[in-house]
Amino acid sequence: GAVVSQHPSRVICKSGTSVKIECRSLDFQATTMFWYRQFPKQSLMLMATSNEGSKATYEQGVEKDKFLINHASLTLSTLTVTSAHPEDSSFYICSARDFSLNSPLHFGNGTRLTVT
Amino acid sequence: AQSVSQHNHHVILSEAASLELGCNYSYGGTVNLFWYVQYPGQHLQLLLKYFSGDPLVKGIKGFEAEFIKSKFSFNLRKPSVQWSDTAEYFCAVNPNTGGFKTIFGAGTRLFVKA
Repeated sequence: GAVVSQHPSRVICKSGTSVKIECRSLDFQATTMFWYRQFPKQSLMLMATSNEGSKATYEQGVEKDKFLINHASLTLSTLTVTSAHPEDSSFYICSARDFSLNSPLHFGNGTRLTVT
Repeated sequence: AQSVSQHNHHVILSEAASLELGCNYSYGGTVNLFWYVQYPGQHLQLLLKYFSGDPLVKGIKGFEAEFIKSKFSFNLRKPSVQWSDTAEYFCAVNPNTGGFKTIFGAGTRLFVKA
């Protein structure tokens, strides 16, 4: 079945540094990938929709200059948390779907980011 | 704004008990509906989905969900839960507007006592 690989699974960084998270679709082409943030005891919060070959669409309240998204190919999207601060510590999850609107999302394993 | 409501945030059941998790959404048009499950330490995975046709949908591991259009609901059910069903369950709605945005409910954490 379809698999989405997310890397790294855990990262600890110092405040002020940048962190890049990769999301790859392994056996299908994903024209659209999604980035979510999951807070404890809360729902997945959609941060942005990543479209291959074009600019990402950010949800209201998400700073596009802080959370840089690049979707350079049909199988790879990256999320870069720039100038990270402790409040950026969270669980970030990517998902992808193939061309069909009716296909379900396939999720990566998530990345636990801790900013010290 | 479109939203998805899951009524129970925490559910505790004994093995063999029946399960029903509520999910309601607010969107008047055609929707695709999903239930995802996240087992402890694992990633989200699809449990079942509804696009059209028979409103009673059967998924993996004995789960089923019923789409009731008049109630804007898509409740998840299982007649007899097992300890291995302990997980977090997310209802999700994809308004069939031509876009790709999927809206998730807050999730329900199910704990099944052995």
